[in-house]
Amino acid sequence: DQQVKQNSPSLSVQEGRISILNCDYTNSMFDYFLWYKKYPAEGPTFLISISSIKDKNEDGRFTVFLNKSAKHLSLHIVPSQPGDSAVYFCAASAVGTASKLTFGTGTRLQVTL
Amino acid sequence: KAGVTQTPRYLIKTRGQQVTLSCSPISGHRSVSWYQQTPGQGLQFLFEYFSETQRNKGNFPGRFSGRQFSNSRSEMNVSTLELGDSALYLCASSSLSGDTQYFGPGTRLTVL
Repeated sequence: DQQVKQNSPSLSVQEGRISILNCDYTNSMFDYFLWYKKYPAEGPTFLISISSIKDKNEDGRFTVFLNKSAKHLSLHIVPSQPGDSAVYFCAASAVGTASKLTFGTGTRLQVTL
Repeated sequence: KAGVTQTPRYLIKTRGQQVTLSCSPISGHRSVSWYQQTPGQGLQFLFEYFSETQRNKGNFPGRFSGRQFSNSRSEMNVSTLELGDSALYLCASSSLSGDTQYFGPGTRLTVL
């Protein structure tokens, strides 16, 4: 039972444009959401997070939006840069088990020149 | 501040053997979590240790175990290795249980 889903395995975006990565979840107990970026042969790198009491969080070029009623979150990267090319994972944790992250399957983003 | 370190980075074992992986968290971090990444199952939570106590556990068999030392360093042990245990094992640390987790580079385990 995949509780966190990233339905797009890959995404290609031109440099300078907006990249939008999507994530859906099914567990209504999830209250904290994170995005990680991963390069091959490296561990995931934390990008940005959002608590369920918010619907938006920004950090530089990265913005995460949360729609609790739709159980959907998205990561916007503006403007996209070639160095953003990586696999992006969304993750979620539930009330009472905040250290137990449930990950999506990842979306491979390629930013082209 | 140095990041999370994991040793060894690569390991080859044969079925039936056991293996111990090591993780040193970011200085000052007291929580260490372990994850397994495989192509088929993705990233899955194994367990978390905080102040030398296991706080949370994922859905893995008892062959997977861990411990944490007083300096917050953690080890993970897998006994009676199976081919399906071949994976990237990731360790993550956070300052407190439930805080943002920062990952190490992982240990690539291959079971032949």
